[in-house]
Amino acid sequence: QSVLTQPPSVSGAPGQRVTVSCTGSSSNIGAGFDVQWYQQLPGTAPKLLIYRNSNRPSGVPDRFSGSRSGTSASLAITGLQAEDEADYYCQSFDSSLSGSVVFGGGTKLTVL
Amino acid sequence: QVQLQESGPGQVKPSETLSLTCAVSGYSIASAYYWGWVRQPPGKGLEWIGSIYHTGSTYYNPSLKSRVTISLETSKNQFSLQLTSVTAADTAVYYCARGTTGALAQNWFGPWGQGTLVTVSS
Repeated sequence: QSVLTQPPSVSGAPGQRVTVSCTGSSSNIGAGFDVQWYQQLPGTAPKLLIYRNSNRPSGVPDRFSGSRSGTSASLAITGLQAEDEADYYCQSFDSSLSGSVVFGGGTKLTVL
Repeated sequence: QVQLQESGPGQVKPSETLSLTCAVSGYSIASAYYWGWVRQPPGKGLEWIGSIYHTGSTYYNPSLKSRVTISLETSKNQFSLQLTSVTAADTAVYYCARGTTGALAQNWFGPWGQGTLVTVSS
């Protein structure tokens, strides 16, 4: 059971907009800790997609955007493309116990 | 351009110690940043194992803390992971990755190594 909760799967047709949610609690996202998002294409290592809630590293298309509100965060992908089919993970920090970097359970995006 | 590459045995026997190394090129690990390990069991999600700051300070996942050691080998520009008393539950792809600077609470990871599969089996 992950500390950050993501839907197991989402889907959308090419060109559409999809969102992936990441729900935490008062000891992580709700405490103000930043949220990051990673994209993991099949058989490859994760790649940083969004950092500090809404910032894109250079080279990441502006079709990808992130936001944080309260105890949750969201990743939005507009103009969906076949190449976006991948697993997406959110990541934050949890201050409970001794403090720990935490990941969501991951969301499989299927492009229909 | 920073690149990371994991290496180590692909199979470890139950109750033994898993040892992996992450060789870093393009940046001196002694200069700055956190350097971390993340694992992914087959078909499952990502789990942070721990991170080491360039100063040598270490931070571990509380659920693994009693079994994990991460260390820097600055002369070889690499850092290592040791996980003791392994079981089948430790079978996973192990990734090394560069973190950020500042507080651990503000960390994110990138770039990543390609990952190495470690199977715990007799």
